[in-house]
Amino acid sequence: DAMVIQNPRYQVTQFGKPVTLSCSQTLNHNVMYWYQQKSSQAPKLLFHYYDKDFNNEADTPDNFQSRRPNTSFCFLDIRSPGLGDAAMYLCATSRGTGTGLETQYFGPGTRLLVL
Amino acid sequence: AQKITQTQPGMFVQEKEAVTLDCTYDTSDPSYGLFWYKQPSSGEMIFLIYQGSYDQQNATEGRYSLNFQKARKSANLVISASQLGDSAMYFCAMRSYNFGNEKLTFGTGTRLTIIP
Repeated sequence: DAMVIQNPRYQVTQFGKPVTLSCSQTLNHNVMYWYQQKSSQAPKLLFHYYDKDFNNEADTPDNFQSRRPNTSFCFLDIRSPGLGDAAMYLCATSRGTGTGLETQYFGPGTRLLVL
Repeated sequence: AQKITQTQPGMFVQEKEAVTLDCTYDTSDPSYGLFWYKQPSSGEMIFLIYQGSYDQQNATEGRYSLNFQKARKSANLVISASQLGDSAMYFCAMRSYNFGNEKLTFGTGTRLTIIP
């Protein structure tokens, strides 16, 4: 009964080589989020989709892009990974009923290593 | 702006003892929600408990309870009868009642270690 699934769990890429991380959900939630979490730090929101509407955080680098082709799937694209992009990337979902107080449910994360 | 403060970077607790993890927050929004998440070494963020700002009673979920003191702006997590599996990083987080503001603001976390 996995609810938020992330693939792969571990990803190794080379400096400058584009990489795509995947997230899928079986909860039929309207909102999907991508967080970046560096070692010993709190998660940092990169962007989120409210249904098809994309919402970028002001300080998210242009190097990070996202796609949501349908309700169930959301992708994080890193166009030219740098060493500083090595982190855990967490996908989360929430129902999106408009109250703003719903719980966010997280996937297991993808650990990205940049060589 | 919202801010979450967790002042305990690390805690060591004997197995079967109760433990309190501190969390204070700051917000000017009248309606908000407070959340606690557990993050084991595997990395997954596991939702533990939620408290709404207008909830009259403290939230409880099994061995977890939230000691909510609105006037003091604190939302401490209490874990009763701690177990070895409770060893993890714990994050306090909050969101405001504001359609379109979907952002969770996290604290810096507390690393809890349960000692056998």
